[in-house]
Amino acid sequence: QKEVEQNSGPLSVPEGAIASLNCTYSDRGSQSFFWYRQYSGKSPELIMFIYSNGDKEDGRFTAQLNKASQYVSLLIRDSQPSDSATYLCAVNTGTASKLTFGTGTRLQVTL
Amino acid sequence: DTEVTQTPKHLVMGMTNKKSLKCEQHMGHRAMYWYKQKAKKPPELMFVYSYEKLSINESVPSRFSPECPNSSLLNLHLHALQPEDSALYLCASSPGGTGELFFGEGSRLTVL
Repeated sequence: QKEVEQNSGPLSVPEGAIASLNCTYSDRGSQSFFWYRQYSGKSPELIMFIYSNGDKEDGRFTAQLNKASQYVSLLIRDSQPSDSATYLCAVNTGTASKLTFGTGTRLQVTL
Repeated sequence: DTEVTQTPKHLVMGMTNKKSLKCEQHMGHRAMYWYKQKAKKPPELMFVYSYEKLSINESVPSRFSPECPNSSLLNLHLHALQPEDSALYLCASSPGGTGELFFGEGSRLTVL
């Protein structure tokens, strides 16, 4: 059973809309949660991290965490074509140094 | 520009060759990582060094040999690789040894 699950997409949203990316995880002991963006042919880049239940906002990005339901989501407001990428959800499972990635959701922002 | 530098960016090697991938960071981060990523797959953890000591080895075959000469450098020595080892090899560092990873641009390896 996968530890971190994401819908592979593609998720297609029009420019200016809100993109909602979701992730579920199986380890109830997980403490920290991360969203990485990966453009095609490039390396992952950290966008947001969240440790506590609730919302965390950074510019156009909002991370949401619900530990009781074991899901974490990323909202991208006013989506731009430059947001088109694969978004990887990552969770610390087990030791603090071990990060488990989901398979990623490919986001396409259309003009 | 990324502050984690990986060399070489591309490497082609035969199954009998010995080569090394290099990674350098000057951010004072205490943890460094090697990940392997195949096309359309997420990164897979290979090794973690914390304070220059190997703390995690994800049961990686011995044909991959990591080395951390000092807190800024991380090497991955490659020997007798198989074609299925062809992938993007990503180095990352972390200030706190948690999930806040700063990735290098990667070394794309092709094994013939």
